[in-house]
Amino acid sequence: AQKVTQAQTEISVVEKEDVTLDCVYETRDTTYYLFWYKQPPSGELVFLIRRNSFDEQNEISGRYSWNFQKSTSSFNFTITASQVVDSAVYFCALSDMTLVILTGTASKLTFGTGTRLQVTL
Amino acid sequence: DGGITQSPKYLFRKEGQNVTLSCEQNLNHDAMYWYRQDPGQGLRLIYYSQIVNDFQKGDIAEGYSVSREKKESFPLTVTSAQKNPTAFYLCASSIAPGANEQYFGPGTRLTVT
Repeated sequence: AQKVTQAQTEISVVEKEDVTLDCVYETRDTTYYLFWYKQPPSGELVFLIRRNSFDEQNEISGRYSWNFQKSTSSFNFTITASQVVDSAVYFCALSDMTLVILTGTASKLTFGTGTRLQVTL
Repeated sequence: DGGITQSPKYLFRKEGQNVTLSCEQNLNHDAMYWYRQDPGQGLRLIYYSQIVNDFQKGDIAEGYSVSREKKESFPLTVTSAQKNPTAFYLCASSIAPGANEQYFGPGTRLTVT
């Protein structure tokens, strides 16, 4: 069974601080995808990144960066120089691919419980 | 503009009534999904559909029903059999079944009293 753990329920930082959101996952599959989504107060989830299990290269997109480590089953997300607009709930999600590849069925996302980030002035 | 629309944003119903939540997408995506979000919890999959006239149960399908008569539309009915229907419901779509990123609508907050 798949599981995604986001142990940090809430994080508060002051603007311009760096912050890292942790994500630990469990899966028996060797082929899988990991995702991060942002949920601002409006409620709509916004896609941030997708990473497959064969690509452990870290990724940077502006102030956002992601650290994928298969050895520790972690896919952590860092915001550099945080801003008030970064305040949101962030979700990590996992999609196993073995069943999808074998049967052609749609992949199902397993979400963590989310981390609420509050950035203040 | 391409995207996913859900209506209404807020919905109130009396216990014992069925209620249908709308989800429409103009992204030409094949796959569509319904999730439920409760406070302090992640999203849980209710139903998903890979193509028109096909849909599959997710992890918490009991008390819900769906239809997929058109590619653009995937309405969700919350029946009176759903024991705890008050929640935030999110619809999503992806270009095809598989590990493609899913794009979400703005959600409908359903309150049943």
